[in-house]
Amino acid sequence: DMKVTQMPRYLIKRMGENVLLECGQDMSHETMYWYRQDPGLGLQLIYISYDVDSNSEGDIPKGYRVSRKKREHFSLILDSAKTNQTSVYFCASSPGQGADTEVFFGKGTRLTVV
Amino acid sequence: GDSVTQTEGQVALSEEDFLTIHCNYSASGYPALFWYVQYPGEGPQFLFRASRDKEKGSSRGFEATYDKGTTSFHLRKASVQESDSAVYYCALGAPGKLTFGDGTVLTVKP
Repeated sequence: DMKVTQMPRYLIKRMGENVLLECGQDMSHETMYWYRQDPGLGLQLIYISYDVDSNSEGDIPKGYRVSRKKREHFSLILDSAKTNQTSVYFCASSPGQGADTEVFFGKGTRLTVV
Repeated sequence: GDSVTQTEGQVALSEEDFLTIHCNYSASGYPALFWYVQYPGEGPQFLFRASRDKEKGSSRGFEATYDKGTTSFHLRKASVQESDSAVYYCALGAPGKLTFGDGTVLTVKP
């Protein structure tokens, strides 16, 4: 069963706390992504990872960092969370590094920073 | 940079109506074009793609034709159902990146 799994699904954190969002995939996909989704703004790319320890900034990387130590696992870290990082975060994966392949998404993590 | 524009933010239809959601793109080169659908509480799901001029992508009764001349990839369905209510995203594939439009909320009334 091809799946991208995100944990946790819901998270409430206080401003200034550190946040760890975890993502796993069981398809051995090389490429993994982190997006955030806000009303009226669609999906914005935060980071992309082409394989283990091969990460690149997306369109909105400020305030985030990522870690990929195993091909099937990709983490998003917020050091000292801010209220404007309240959002729904989606992890995704795709085979290869091509531009025309299907991207598989997880169900998302709804993060609230208070 | 690459961008995708979806004209309609919201579309409200009745069952069996014809659907059109307009998508235009701006990109260098020859990108792949996609439609994704998102249901409440879920992540976006791949609907279909097209990779070259005049190619038609289709799935579940939805279809779109890649038009390089007008830089468009409009989504159409002849007869919508209540179960088609969702958010639809047009997307553009560049190497290592998928750029999404802002999405169109489709509501279908029975």
